[in-house]
Amino acid sequence: QVYLQESGPGLVKPSETLSLTCTVSGYSISSGYYWAWIRQPPGKGLEWIGSIDHSGGTYHNPSLKSRVTILLDTSKNQFSLKVSSVTAADTALYFCTRDIGNYRSDYWGQGTLVTVSS
Amino acid sequence: DIQMTQSPSSLSTSVGDRVTITCRASQSIASYLNWYQQKPGKAPKLLIYATSTLESGVPSRFSGSGSGTDFTLTISSLQPEDFATYYCQQSYSFGQGTKLEIK
Repeated sequence: QVYLQESGPGLVKPSETLSLTCTVSGYSISSGYYWAWIRQPPGKGLEWIGSIDHSGGTYHNPSLKSRVTILLDTSKNQFSLKVSSVTAADTALYFCTRDIGNYRSDYWGQGTLVTVSS
Repeated sequence: DIQMTQSPSSLSTSVGDRVTITCRASQSIASYLNWYQQKPGKAPKLLIYATSTLESGVPSRFSGSGSGTDFTLTISSLQPEDFATYYCQQSYSFGQGTKLEIK
């Protein structure tokens, strides 16, 4: 069984950088697949942010690309997300997922709520 | 960008009903269309991928079909645990969701 767990600050100030980490257990992220971030503003739908493959190649939603960085840390079996210059519109529940290809997310973390507020 | 539009946005329905949710793409897409189910406070769960392939463990009352721009998710006989919100996804675009509510 594969488990994913998001972690990071729950509150970020406007204009600052949001940073989250996803810790994966039950599967070595260097073995394959893609590792994705998806978010959901309170009461709204899902938004795919981006992903990273097991070799470090990254893929981004064009609407967020300029502000998003996704990195892999195979030594810790983790991947991370940074979103720069955040605004209130970035307030959301952030999920990390395993994407086994064609944007098919078969395992999800429980999600972590990040609020952007001063 | 390809936009995905689901209809209806919500549906009041009863246990035992046959339910069909539609997802329309703004342009013709390959058949890499996924469907997810999300219950309140939970992460989404993958139901169907590649338009019509059931994810392991998903009940056979769920089915998917479609091609080109029009795709459907059908639940043949709604069960109490199926009341949830359903999302289609193609590439990095999700539909806005369809919420199934108890009539």
